[in-house]
Amino acid sequence: DTEVTQTPKHLVMGMTNKKSLKCEQHMGHRAMYWYKQKAKKPPELMFVYSYEKLSINESVPSRFSPECPNSSLLNLHLHALQPEDSALYLCASSQNQGSNIQYFGAGTRLSVL
Amino acid sequence: LAKTTQPISMDSYEGQEVNITCSHNNIATNDYITWYQQFPSQGPRFIIQGYKTKVTNEVASLFIPADRKSSTLSLPRVSLSDTAVYYCLVGGSGGGNKLTFGTGTQLKVEL
Repeated sequence: DTEVTQTPKHLVMGMTNKKSLKCEQHMGHRAMYWYKQKAKKPPELMFVYSYEKLSINESVPSRFSPECPNSSLLNLHLHALQPEDSALYLCASSQNQGSNIQYFGAGTRLSVL
Repeated sequence: LAKTTQPISMDSYEGQEVNITCSHNNIATNDYITWYQQFPSQGPRFIIQGYKTKVTNEVASLFIPADRKSSTLSLPRVSLSDTAVYYCLVGGSGGGNKLTFGTGTQLKVEL
């Protein structure tokens, strides 16, 4: 099973809402990632978790709050987002943080109104 | 991380072989070359990875010259379903590594 599952597939939220994106993998991978992708642009790394601890934060605004409850789950909590935060949010995992081979989910398409 | 340069777009026809070249002049000794494929509204999918010479799998081949300053992804006999964006990434396999995607190459395959 090389699947990374993301929910929901689509999300519409207002600027005052609080919502969460979820990501799950059962490949035994110890590194998990959040990326943001705008239309016709490459994915941009946001956060990296290694062994359930935050390893890299690419200077992401605090309105995005990641959480790794266990080795299989990764959440991204959203609060007070701006319309420019509308994008495809991708989760990925790899055996360890050093691997260039990452497995991506299908993403959550987020629209902020 | 070494920066990569790829053509922005390429066009091809079904049944042809497609070669996408990536330039990475500043590649470091411990850097690997990795290619991903991405369809619209989906996450990138790993295609192939190599360090030197030639690597082949069931999907593609990767050619890397001796100086490793470039690499070529070869897709044999493409079909319409190969229409996608292809990303070349260069980075080390050591700890702390993170993937940095370049602009990618939009491949369009027509009948």
